[in-house]
Amino acid sequence: AQSVTQLGSHVSVSEGALVLLRCNYSSSVPPYLFWYVQYPNQGLQLLLKYTSAATLVKGINGFEAEFKKSETSFHLTKPSAHMSDAAEYFCAVRAGTASKLTFGTGTRLQVTL
Amino acid sequence: DTAVSQTPKYLVTQMGNDKSIKCEQNLGHDTMYWYKQDSKKFLKIMFSYNNKELIINETVPNRFSPKSPDKAHLNLHINSLELGDSAVYFCASSPSGSGVWNEQFFGPGTRLTVL
Repeated sequence: AQSVTQLGSHVSVSEGALVLLRCNYSSSVPPYLFWYVQYPNQGLQLLLKYTSAATLVKGINGFEAEFKKSETSFHLTKPSAHMSDAAEYFCAVRAGTASKLTFGTGTRLQVTL
Repeated sequence: DTAVSQTPKYLVTQMGNDKSIKCEQNLGHDTMYWYKQDSKKFLKIMFSYNNKELIINETVPNRFSPKSPDKAHLNLHINSLELGDSAVYFCASSPSGSGVWNEQFFGPGTRLTVL
């Protein structure tokens, strides 16, 4: 079984501030983890993915995430928020060879001036 | 453009009607999916096809029937539409069903409103 918990359905940061979106996972086998972004009225776009090659993963648009097995976490960060980062962010997990991708409930990021 | 495309983008219909949503991908992928995103943005997989064969069928009412005429297309037909079917439906594709790290590419979504 696999699941993802995203803490905080809504996060608000000032432009230029650190972005931290939290994701904790549960998986019975080593997980493959993903972060997707959804801009208003659009489909989902992959930000980054963890595939066991490196625990710190860099993605597009300056985002990165660190896999911490001891904490079962895969939090998404960006050092300096930009107005264009305002969107819905989804963490997702796939366990082992199962082809099903399980998504978290999403976190809406708001960026204010 | 290489992408996953869906038609229509918006679909407004009456309860009890039958409707279809079409999905096409020109990425050469083997696997395609249908997801439902509800009003709270919760995204849940409905079906997955690999090389035209159904490999995932979540607990979905049998009023929903996917059809894959070929690897590049996965259509979703919905019979006897209900109010609760109102949602955004996303099609996605990925290179291989067994490649667990393979990225899924999503279409722009179809917003279905049942009145």
